[in-house]
Amino acid sequence: AQKVTQAQTEISVVEKEDVTLDCVYETRDTTYYLFWYKQPPSGELVFLIRRNSFDEQNEISGRYSWNFQKSTSSFNFTITASQVVDSAVYFCALNSGGYQKVTFGIGTKLQVIP
Amino acid sequence: DTGVSQDPRHKITKRGQNVTFRCDPISEHNRLYWYRQTLGQGPEFLTYFQNEAQLEKSRLLSDRFSAERPKGSFSTLEIQRTEQGDSAMYLCASSPSGYEQYFGPGTRLTVT
Repeated sequence: AQKVTQAQTEISVVEKEDVTLDCVYETRDTTYYLFWYKQPPSGELVFLIRRNSFDEQNEISGRYSWNFQKSTSSFNFTITASQVVDSAVYFCALNSGGYQKVTFGIGTKLQVIP
Repeated sequence: DTGVSQDPRHKITKRGQNVTFRCDPISEHNRLYWYRQTLGQGPEFLTYFQNEAQLEKSRLLSDRFSAERPKGSFSTLEIQRTEQGDSAMYLCASSPSGYEQYFGPGTRLTVT
């Protein structure tokens, strides 16, 4: 069974603050993939990043960075210098076991206040 | 626009009616997925196609639900005898590799 937990349901920050969205996952498989998606108010899910279980290197893309730690089964997402356009629901997701099914967390709603 | 498209974007139907949704994936993607998303929840996997073959189905996909991808291009999702609990956003995604999935805008179904 695979499970994704996003304990923060809603976060509010003031523009230009840094914010970290937490994600904890569960799987018995040794090969798995982790994802983050953004769902803005328009509703369309936007792919942000994919990591596989063999690559624990952190990744940075502009103001976005991801911290993958297998020891704590976490895949956290940090937005630096947040902007109003970052306001959205962010989903962490997991795929494992050789299946195509992706299991999503409940999502974290981020509100960036100007 | 070369992204995933879905039609219709919104559908209101009365309980007991049948509805059909269409998804057109990104043209070079051979993998296609259907998900359902209810308010305040993440998407839940329904089914997966590789080309025209339906290879995975969730237990969420009851006998009233059927999905097809007859020529390995567009796909349809039909719900028969709709119930109020079927009200949700139905999302389609496609992928070239089975890793990143690219989502369409969704079809919002309201069953009255």
